Amino acid sequence: KQEVTQIPAALSVPEGENLVLNCSFTDSAIYNLQWFRQDPGKGLTSLLLIQSSQREQTSGRLNASLDKSSGRSTLYIAASQPGDSATYLCAVPPVYGGATNKLIFGTGTLLAVQP
Amino acid sequence: SAVISQKPSRDICQRGTSLTIQCQVDSQVTMMFWYRQQPGQSLTLIATANQGSEATYESGFVIDKFPISRPNLTFSTLTVSNMSPEDSSIYLCSVLQTGVQEKLFFGSGTQLSVL
Repeated sequence: KQEVTQIPAALSVPEGENLVLNCSFTDSAIYNLQWFRQDPGKGLTSLLLIQSSQREQTSGRLNASLDKSSGRSTLYIAASQPGDSATYLCAVPPVYGGATNKLIFGTGTLLAVQP
Repeated sequence: SAVISQKPSRDICQRGTSLTIQCQVDSQVTMMFWYRQQPGQSLTLIATANQGSEATYESGFVIDKFPISRPNLTFSTLTVSNMSPEDSSIYLCSVLQTGVQEKLFFGSGTQLSVL
């Protein structure tokens, strides 16, 4: 059964710092991996989606990498800003069936960027 | 990307009552889903809302507790029945957008507190 783990559970950094969030999954036969952002009491916003054939995806100050063989993905945030403060979740579809809808989520990393 | 409106955004309810959450999408989508996020936990899929047929529930969730309607391709409701404090969670509607890349989009969520 696929399990998704995110470390650290919480992170506090000063504004302007570059940071890395980690996501690990137990079964490397994934179809894709998606990073989401969740603001307090709100829904989720999709940030980046990496297909299994890709190594990384970039969007603005965000860069997500994927290493299937080691079961890891990282989300790199450059020049962090207070507005980046949120919970960041990674998610993968189940290994068998590849049903994108039935995402398996990590427990998230709560990021606080101090001004 | 799909725009998803979910309401209410939050509610405080008494034990034993029921709450119906509405989800409206700005375009026709085949697949709509309901997720639950309990305090401090990650998201868990409750069910897939199927247009024209009964919803498909995940393990641990039953129709009597979480009845779902899907009258058309842009709308769905989730009812949380006979609520108890353990039902206090964020409930999220999501849709699967197909095309070049399959991606899940989420509504802003309904924060439910049961007293």
